[in-house]
Parts: sequence; structure tokens; C-alpha cells
Amino acid sequence: QKEVEQDPGPLSVPEGAIVSLNCTYSNSAFQYFMWYRQYSRKGPELLMYTYSSGNKEDGRFTAQVDKSSKYISLFIRDSQPSDSATYLCAMRANSGGYQKVTFGTGTKLQVIP
Amino acid sequence: EAQVTQNPRYLITVTGKKLTVTCSQNMNHEYMSWYRQDPGLGLRQIYYSMNVEVTDKGDVPEGYKVSRKEKRNFPLILESPSPNQTSLYFCASSASRGLDTQYFGPGTRLTVL
Repeated sequence: QKEVEQDPGPLSVPEGAIVSLNCTYSNSAFQYFMWYRQYSRKGPELLMYTYSSGNKEDGRFTAQVDKSSKYISLFIRDSQPSDSATYLCAMRANSGGYQKVTFGTGTKLQVIP
Repeated sequence: EAQVTQNPRYLITVTGKKLTVTCSQNMNHEYMSWYRQDPGLGLRQIYYSMNVEVTDKGDVPEGYKVSRKEKRNFPLILESPSPNQTSLYFCASSASRGLDTQYFGPGTRLTVL
């Protein structure tokens, strides 16, 4: 079983829809959670970063962490065609020394105009 | 402009022919990593470096070598490439030990025949 599970999609939504992207994980030591966005033929870029449980909002994007369920989500409001990309979740523990990050496999999102 | 550059962007080679993929960052970051990205497997770390002359294995180091002689450069070396090393490779750098904000290069698509 993978430490981090992410539905690969593809997920197709009409422009303006609310999008929900999710990851589940098995390692209860994970405390830092990240979402990266990767456009076609580009490297991933950091979109959101949260620590422990709760919500974090940045414009149209909201990251949510539920540590009790080992479940994280990224919500995109008023989705735009420019949001079409692959979204990768990533997470790490808070142990001492070097901090390894574990990535999900990514969910491909297409926003239809 | 802050960036991570990789060269070449595309490479087709044959089994056993040594190759080097270069990576350079202009942000004075201490931490650098190499990842490979494969469908269904996501991003997996090959090697990482915490500073000049300090490198260590990631999750999938077999068949790869790295060196960090200068802070800005972190080349990936495949001494005897094999077809199972056909993949999309990303170099990344980070200022923090936690690697929460990693800056990724544009990727190198390698095909080994």
C-alpha cells in the first residue's frame, strides 16, 4: 500500500465549477501538507502549504487537512481554464534531521470553457 | 529571475552510453534533489544534497550518481543507462531543510533505447 493515495482522474469540470481534489495517507507522523500544481511540460510549482489540521485559504484556493481521517483536500472555487493542470499532494513528518517529502501520483484536472 | 535550469530538456540515448543531466539554481539554496516522475508512481526522489559535498540516497538511487562540488550545481549522472531509466527527471532546490517550498526545474525527458 502506498503511503499517499491520490485519484489520478482525469477530472473534467465546466468553467466556474467548484473543484475538490483529495489525498489520503497512512503515515500518522505526517504533519506538513502541500499542494503542487504542474502544467503540461513544466515542473511542479508550490500552490499551498499547511501545517497540521485545519483550513488555509488563498484566493480561490482552500486547503483542508483532517488528520483524524488522514485526508487532505484542495478546493478550487470559480474554476478557470487556466486551472487545467495536474495537482500533486505532498506531505512530510516533523522528525529531526533531513525531511523527506512524499508525493501523491497527481490528479489531472481539465476545466472546460 | 529565480530559477532552476536543467539541460538537456530532451534526450534519446542507447543502453550503456554514459550521460549527464545538468542542474543549476540561482537562489543560493542549500538543498537540492533529483526526482523521477513515472505514470502511476508519481515523483520519487533519487538523490538529495544538503550542501556542497554532502549527498545522500533517496528512494530510488540504483543506477544513478550525483555530485555537488558547487552550491549552485547538482548534476545527475547515469554511468550505464538502461531502458528502465526512461523517465521524466526533475531537479529541485529548497532553502529549507523541510523541503516545504521546493523550486523545480522544467524537467528532462530521457528515453533509453
